[in-house]
Amino acid sequence: AQSVSQHNHHVILSEAASLELGCNYSYGGTVNLFWYVQYPGQHLQLLLKYFSGDPLVKGIKGFEAEFIKSKFSFNLRKPSVQWSDTAEYFCAVLSGNMLTFGGGTRLMVKP
Amino acid sequence: EAGVAQSPRYKIIEKRQSVAFWCNPISGHATLYWYQQILGQGPKLLIQFQNNGVVDDSQLPKDRFSAERLKGVDSTLKIQPAKLEDSAVYLCASSPRQGGFSPLHFGNGTRLTVT
Repeated sequence: AQSVSQHNHHVILSEAASLELGCNYSYGGTVNLFWYVQYPGQHLQLLLKYFSGDPLVKGIKGFEAEFIKSKFSFNLRKPSVQWSDTAEYFCAVLSGNMLTFGGGTRLMVKP
Repeated sequence: EAGVAQSPRYKIIEKRQSVAFWCNPISGHATLYWYQQILGQGPKLLIQFQNNGVVDDSQLPKDRFSAERLKGVDSTLKIQPAKLEDSAVYLCASSPRQGGFSPLHFGNGTRLTVT
């Protein structure tokens, strides 16, 4: 069965710091990769997605992620975080019909 | 467009009681999903419908959980009888077609507490 691992459960940063959240998956076939975000009190929203082509994917609000096939990774990055980025971030992998989520990383940005 | 609607937002029941959750997906979305999100974990797929047919229910505890989407529109998820470990947020999501190529749109969820 496929699995998705997010290495950091909690991350605390100051505003303007750079962000990188790790995501690794275990599946050898073709996958599609996603990052979802859940702001406090809101529903899950799609942040960005990778299907094929350029492995560096740009999403909303200045986020980007890089697919490294050899490392089975899809890390999320942002050069300079803002207080409004405080949220929980979920990596997800689509294989066949099944979308599998990682355990999530809770990000707190201090003003 | 209107989002995915779920009700109730919160539910508290005692173990061994039954409970039902309702979901109305975005109009025109053929695929509907129910996910269970236990505190501190990512969402776990319980069941996936394509129109009114079940695509995947391999992770649904069928001895106590059931779900239906009779007319291919709204859906209900039932737990009978509930256990303490069923305490979680139950998320409904929909997409225009099967698979993640059409991103899932999530509802706000129903937070269930079993005491």
